[in-house]
Amino acid sequence: DAGVIQSPRHEVTEMGQEVTLRCKPISGHNSLFWYRQTMMRGLELLIYFNNNVPIDDSGMPEDRFSAKMPNASFSTLKIQPSEPRDSAVYFCASRPPRDRGNTEAFFGQGTRLTVV
Amino acid sequence: DAKTTQPNSMESNEEEPVHLPCNHSTISGTDYIHWYRQLPSQGPEYVIHGLTSNVNNRMASLAIAEDRKSSTLILHRATLRDAAVYYCILRLANAGGTSYGKLTFGQGTILTVHP
Repeated sequence: DAGVIQSPRHEVTEMGQEVTLRCKPISGHNSLFWYRQTMMRGLELLIYFNNNVPIDDSGMPEDRFSAKMPNASFSTLKIQPSEPRDSAVYFCASRPPRDRGNTEAFFGQGTRLTVV
Repeated sequence: DAKTTQPNSMESNEEEPVHLPCNHSTISGTDYIHWYRQLPSQGPEYVIHGLTSNVNNRMASLAIAEDRKSSTLILHRATLRDAAVYYCILRLANAGGTSYGKLTFGQGTILTVHP
């Protein structure tokens, strides 16, 4: 398996534009996480899906952020409109079902977002 | 969520053992102790986890105090490639509720390995 795949790897956009980050989890995994990492705030959990259903979105900073998981193999994180303070590295992670015994989460390489 | 406390940074020499401590005095009986690390410019990667007993794998060992209020990640022979930020995380084991399965990262310990 190629691991968790995120696209794009880098994104530079102008303030006010819509940004969509994409994630393909590892096949067979049923949990998916979106994180944001900045120097000031570290790694923050934004939202957590289980079986394509959002379980906890309490970390989503505001209404400008939205996340979807239309099927088990794809998720998006959208920011509309984007602001300079959204600049960060965004990570997606997936984890297999609990009954498979392995509980480790696998992270993608991240998307570095710069909003100018 | 139960909180963990780690030193901001630690240093080691190559090929020496490293003991990375983590305090989790408010841990509940259903919390697993997980360790992840983040190499420069990469996403976090799983290192090891445990509940009550000490654990060993190919990457490291995890020593858990008898009262479970602290744990220590042990790298037996540090290499330059082990330079990373190490995160100690508590993960709720019980099914159900919004906290189940969440991985909440703290600030971690920056490990520097000297040649």
